[in-house]
Amino acid sequence: DQQVKQNSPSLSVQEGRISILNCDYTNSMFDYFLWYKKYPAEGPTFLISISSIKDKNEDGRFTVFLNKSAKHLSLHIVPSQPGDSAVYFCAASGPGAGSYQLTFGKGTKLSVIP
Amino acid sequence: DADVTQTPRNRITKTGKRIMLECSQTKGHDRMYWYRQDPGLGLRLIYYSFDVKDINKGEISDGYSVSRQAQAKFSLSLESAIPNQTALYFCATSDSVGQPQHFGDGTRLSIL
Repeated sequence: DQQVKQNSPSLSVQEGRISILNCDYTNSMFDYFLWYKKYPAEGPTFLISISSIKDKNEDGRFTVFLNKSAKHLSLHIVPSQPGDSAVYFCAASGPGAGSYQLTFGKGTKLSVIP
Repeated sequence: DADVTQTPRNRITKTGKRIMLECSQTKGHDRMYWYRQDPGLGLRLIYYSFDVKDINKGEISDGYSVSRQAQAKFSLSLESAIPNQTALYFCATSDSVGQPQHFGDGTRLSIL
């Protein structure tokens, strides 16, 4: 049973345009959400997070939106740059079984075309 | 120097061999984790530890064991490796609940 879903395995965007990566979750106990970026041959790198008490968090070109009623979050990258090409993982955590361990989605590979 | 260091970076071995993957960190974090990544499956938690005397099973602990030798060191062992344990393994650390985890660069393990 996949509790965190990233339904798009890949996404291609032109440089300068907006990239929107989506993530859905099923566990209503999740209250903390994160996005990680991963380049080949490297470990995932923390990008941005959001707590369930907020619906938006912004950090430079990166903004994460949380819609709790829809159990949906999205990562917006504006403007997209070629260096943003990577695999992006959505992750979630919360109280209950596992004591705030992270549950990851399968990832979305973003390609930013120059 | 990397904050979270994994050794070896690559390993090829045979079925039935005992394998140890090591992780050390300089971040001073109490919490350490081992994950496995398979193509198309994201990261899955194998074991985690909140301090030196604490070991907890994750989602996929069968066939694995861990040892937390010190606050800075957390090793993962495969007692008798099998081909379906071929994967990319990541170690991570975190400061506390609600804080992001910081990952090493991974160990690519191939079991023939």
